[in-house]
Amino acid sequence: DAGVTQSPTHLIKTRGQQVTLRCSPISGHKSVSWYQQVLGQGPQFIFQYYEKEERGRGNFPDRFSARQFPNYSSELNVNALLLGDSALYLCASSLTRLAGYETQYFGPGTRLLVL
Amino acid sequence: GDSVTQMEGPVTLSEEAFLTINCTYTATGYPSLFWYVQYPGEGLQLLLKATKADDKGSNKGFEATYRKETTSFHLEKGSVQVSDSAVYFCALRLVAMNRDDKIIFGKGTRLHILP
Repeated sequence: DAGVTQSPTHLIKTRGQQVTLRCSPISGHKSVSWYQQVLGQGPQFIFQYYEKEERGRGNFPDRFSARQFPNYSSELNVNALLLGDSALYLCASSLTRLAGYETQYFGPGTRLLVL
Repeated sequence: GDSVTQMEGPVTLSEEAFLTINCTYTATGYPSLFWYVQYPGEGLQLLLKATKADDKGSNKGFEATYRKETTSFHLEKGSVQVSDSAVYFCALRLVAMNRDDKIIFGKGTRLHILP
């Protein structure tokens, strides 16, 4: 089975622009989470979606939004990009939402550079 | 708040040396604990996990024991290889259905193994 896939792999944008990142979970997984990893830091939780509903949100501004589709794939949108949004954006999937009892599988990430 | 603290790197060792990367945590509730590894240019891979006190997680020669009394989850390996060079993240995940299903990561420890 394919793992978690993300697209694009790399992206360059300028300040003020908008960006959409995409994630396809492992087949059968219904939960998708998004994380931001700034260079030299650990990943920070942005969102969790389960069964197409938002089930958790980290400490990020409203410029960040996401959605999950009926096939459980997900998009992360970031509006009005700032230089500080430059980071590796990671998507993780798990079978359900049973916190702690399941492994979250991470994709390779999308590296976003804002100029 | 919930947090993970791990030793700062980089850690540089010779091949076949003994490895310890310290990790302590603060959490309200009963977390599961994880070590993730990130190889250059790649996403996160789960290395090992432990879901309750005194559990020992192990994989690829790495071990870590969930110590509730010292709130620690130190990573150890008896004989490291050059291929173990990577960034290692300690993380916790809280076991509660009414909470965000998110993983809280430490800042990561970069490990360099010299041949």
